Formats: sequence, C-alpha cells, structure tokens
Amino acid sequence: GQNIDQPTEMTATEGAIVQINCTYQTSGFNGLFWYQQHAGEAPTFLSYNVLDGLEEKGRFSSFLSRSKGYSYLLLKELQMKDSASYLCAATANQAGTALIFGKGTTLSVSS
Amino acid sequence: DGGITQSPKYLFRKEGQNVTLSCEQNLNHDAMYWYRQDPGQGLRLIYYSQIVNDFQKGDIAEGYSVSREKKESFPLTVTSAQKNPTAFYLCASRRGQVNEKLFFGSGTQLSVL
Repeated sequence: GQNIDQPTEMTATEGAIVQINCTYQTSGFNGLFWYQQHAGEAPTFLSYNVLDGLEEKGRFSSFLSRSKGYSYLLLKELQMKDSASYLCAATANQAGTALIFGKGTTLSVSS
Repeated sequence: DGGITQSPKYLFRKEGQNVTLSCEQNLNHDAMYWYRQDPGQGLRLIYYSQIVNDFQKGDIAEGYSVSREKKESFPLTVTSAQKNPTAFYLCASRRGQVNEKLFFGSGTQLSVL
C-alpha cells in the first residue's frame, strides 16, 4: 500500500520558523518532493530529496530520513506570501512514474 | 516559452454530459499525468501516460477517459458516469524519470450546473 501523511493546518507569525512534517509508506520509494500551492493555482516545485540529510535552498530547507520514512520542510523568516498549502509527494511502484501526493498542509502566516 | 497549457480555465457541465479538458505541452516530455484536487485536499491521480499510445489508470479512474495520440497532447474526458465531477483538475508532465520534478499546467475548475 501507499500512505503519505501531513498535518492538515499550521499557523505561524511573520519572521518565525516553521517545520512541516511528512511521513510516508510507499513501495518503490525513490525520493521525496515538496511543492507549494497557492489557492486556485498550480503547485510549484520547492525541493527534492533522494539521500538522507538536509538540503538548504535559501529560506527553505528540506530533510529526509529514508530509514524512518520521514521528511520535513523548514521555512525560515516567514513572510505573508508563504501562506499556502505545502504538499509532499513520492513515487510508488504501482503508479509508474507518477507522484503520489499527501493531502497537503495549509500554512497561515499572520503579522 | 516552453510549458503546459490547460484549457479552458473554467468549465461547466450539465447532468448527463461528457466534457473534455485539454492539456498540451511543448516541453518534449514523454510522461503526462492528470490529477484531481477537491477543496482542502491533496492531488489524486486519475490517469497517466508514460509514452505515446499508452496510458494507465490511477487511483480514481472511474468515470474518466483519456487518449495519448500525440506526445504533446493528453486530453481528459469527464464522462456522465462520473457522478461528482466538481473539482480542480491539474495536468502535469515530465521527461519520465522518477527523480525529475513535475511541471504543472494552470488547472481547470470544473463545476456542475
């Protein structure tokens, strides 16, 4: 089977740091993607982790532990424009090259 | 500029009607995908195609049909058998390797009249 879990909602204030967790169980796992999606728009790519460890890209960082089936997205110096849904996704054998997505975490950033 | 074009942006379906959502890409990508998104939900896979003239069912294929006659095009038909079609539909593509990111179209919002 396949399962990708994320918290449904999170709130934070401008300038803060927030960590969005994702746990996954997929057969044929290759790597873990993070996407950002603003309401009514298409998802945009944030990061891809295939090896264990932390990858930093500006204000956003992503971590992967393959042995624990766990990833997180770290957002620093939060801005109002970071209010969006954050989707984690992985490949699974039964879906060919398609990505299987979690339900997404809606982040609300307040001033 | 290369990209994925979905049309129309908004679509309304009458009961018993079939409607077709267009998806065209000029990225020379082999693989194309259709996802459905309901409010507050993640993306669910409807159909995918890894090569021309071949496609596979995803998790929620019932009530939908696709074709892949050209590399650039992957239209989705929402048939009258799909009883709850109201959703945001996203088309995506990539070269086909599992470690490559998906490129998304801007989506089609389908509503039932």
